Amino acid sequence: NAGVTQTPKFQVLKTGQSMTLQCAQDMNHEYMSWYRQDPGMGLRLIHYSVGAGITDQGEVPNGYNVSRSTTEDFPLRLLSAAPSQTSVYFCASSYSAPLKTEAFFGQGTRLTVV
Amino acid sequence: DAKTTQPPSMDCAEGRAANLPCNHSTISGNEYVYWYRQIHSQGPQYIIHGLKNNETNEMASLIITEDRKSSTLILPHATLRDTAVYYCIVRVSGGYQKVTFGTGTKLQVIP
Repeated sequence: NAGVTQTPKFQVLKTGQSMTLQCAQDMNHEYMSWYRQDPGMGLRLIHYSVGAGITDQGEVPNGYNVSRSTTEDFPLRLLSAAPSQTSVYFCASSYSAPLKTEAFFGQGTRLTVV
Repeated sequence: DAKTTQPPSMDCAEGRAANLPCNHSTISGNEYVYWYRQIHSQGPQYIIHGLKNNETNEMASLIITEDRKSSTLILPHATLRDTAVYYCIVRVSGGYQKVTFGTGTKLQVIP
């Protein structure tokens, strides 16, 4: 059981480059989301999805795009990387059913923008 | 979602019980208390959740006060591997799980 898989684990980008962080889950979860975590801070929600074809913005969406064409995948796109986007990115997924709503997190992608 | 307050750090001797408090004085009647932890640089891990009754699983126990304004996560026999940041989160169960994290409690288990 793979759970939530994020790729790559590490990435260095130059300012202005674009890239896609991949997230896949094999638990048939309806809900998926992306968070970023900066040093000394908790996780902040970037974007989330409540099902295939449905996405919405979280707390810090600027500079990021998402799409959800399948239940399994929820990629995060950086359109034009900036040093302020240097962070650790976590993808999470969960069921929607009441009392089965604990979120499962991937192991993170460490992104450095130079 | 209700706001939570946790101490920034705590120490616990290995083998002893670790008691991590959380205040959530503005919790609503339909909000649950969830606990996650984040071991260094890894993704957060779900521990336990509850509404008003005390809960126990293989990882921990959750004690919620009768007025539900505070709770305590108990790790009965802390090990070095329990060193982590512990997050207390209060939110409605069901519907979209937009988990909002604060800064948590850094638990250091000491040999």
